[in-house]
Amino acid sequence: EDKVVQSPLSLVVHEGDTVTLNCSYEVTNFRSLLWYKQEKKAPTFLFMLTSSGIEKKSGRLSSILDKKELFSILNITATQTGDSAIYLCAVEAGGSQGNLIFGKGTKLSVKP
Amino acid sequence: GAGVSQSPSNKVTEKGKDVELRCDPISGHTALYWYRQSLGQGLEFLIYFQGNSAPDKSGLPSDRFSAERTGGSVSTLTIQRTQQEDSAVYLCASSLAPQIVNEQYFGPGTRLTVT
Repeated sequence: EDKVVQSPLSLVVHEGDTVTLNCSYEVTNFRSLLWYKQEKKAPTFLFMLTSSGIEKKSGRLSSILDKKELFSILNITATQTGDSAIYLCAVEAGGSQGNLIFGKGTKLSVKP
Repeated sequence: GAGVSQSPSNKVTEKGKDVELRCDPISGHTALYWYRQSLGQGLEFLIYFQGNSAPDKSGLPSDRFSAERTGGSVSTLTIQRTQQEDSAVYLCASSLAPQIVNEQYFGPGTRLTVT
């Protein structure tokens, strides 16, 4: 059975800290891994990773994929209170195009 | 024509009643997805439409759940004889084509509470 596991499930840090969120997966016919930020209801897209070892970067956020060890990390440096959200990892796999398998998410709380 | 819209935003219903949830995708998006997010859980895939047809219904949790899409646009998710475990946020997403997963835009969701 395809699965995506995120850790930690929740994390509390202070502004300025750096955090690393983890996502591991076991799926058939891996296609891509995506990270989303969910603040209220609708997740917003952050990154899409398809190749190992190539870092994607956007401002203070970066992510990298390891297809050999089947995991990805999302780094946030110099965290701000506005980074508080649930971060979702999703994998596109198998025969159903576009069907994303989501992890349970990591709830990040950034304290002032 | 902004993003994906869903209605209602919140729905409270009594156990045993039927509910209909609506999703208006972004104009021109042929692929449409329904997900469910229960408390403390990740998003769970329910069903996917390409145009009006549903090639993948594998995620529907029971035969009380059904969905249709007409005119390649609006989709409705129907839950019959609702149960308390159906309480969740139901999210709809659309994309130009199934292959373009990183442009799968999500709607604001419908929070369903079954009492």
